[in-house]
Amino acid sequence: LAKTTQPISMDSYEGQEVNITCSHNNIATNDYITWYQQFPSQGPRFIIQGYKTKVTNEVASLFIPADRKSSTLSLPRVSLSDTAVYYCLVAPYNTDKLIFGTGTRLQVFP
Amino acid sequence: DVKVTQSSRYLVKRTGEKVFLECVQDMDHENMFWYRQDPGLGLRLIYFSYDVKMKEKGDIPEGYSVSREKKERFSLILESASTNQTSMYLCASSLRAQGAKNIQYFGAGTRLSVL
Repeated sequence: LAKTTQPISMDSYEGQEVNITCSHNNIATNDYITWYQQFPSQGPRFIIQGYKTKVTNEVASLFIPADRKSSTLSLPRVSLSDTAVYYCLVAPYNTDKLIFGTGTRLQVFP
Repeated sequence: DVKVTQSSRYLVKRTGEKVFLECVQDMDHENMFWYRQDPGLGLRLIYFSYDVKMKEKGDIPEGYSVSREKKERFSLILESASTNQTSMYLCASSLRAQGAKNIQYFGAGTRLSVL
């Protein structure tokens, strides 16, 4: 399973755009890149998934360069309620297991 | 909306007790998972099941067993609870199809304290 590396923590202010970059150098050809969000005292929640280039939904955008060795989760105009832990995962093609790691703790200040 | 329900939010047990954590999902998902979450260690997979009566070990299965007699229900069993099993336990479910299998739906968690 491909290992991911992401910042332990990040700080931001309300209204700013936040970009969290994750590296996954040994991603395999058919693996997907998946991001989850976890608020305190709750289970993680899926937010976005991509294979290449750019994916956007109502919550975030995901940018994946051509070599797919990294990905960037972009949160536009964050608010206090975006304070959470964000997990980057490489989802293997050939197994149903996901490896969550420790994630990036995002703190948004007023 | 997918709902994953864990039977207890908080649980306090004594060392040596047999503990059952129950999880039920209502979306006909094939896959079900049990994780534990500890500070600084992230989520670690204990067991998962891809079908009724089928199970596979995750990264930390020691001291745990599971049961899946019905598709919607996945139970985690601590045969003889120990203090190092004090943790937050999270259940999740997903479909098996490619792409969809990466979207896991989580319950609210059970915070277990073993005294």
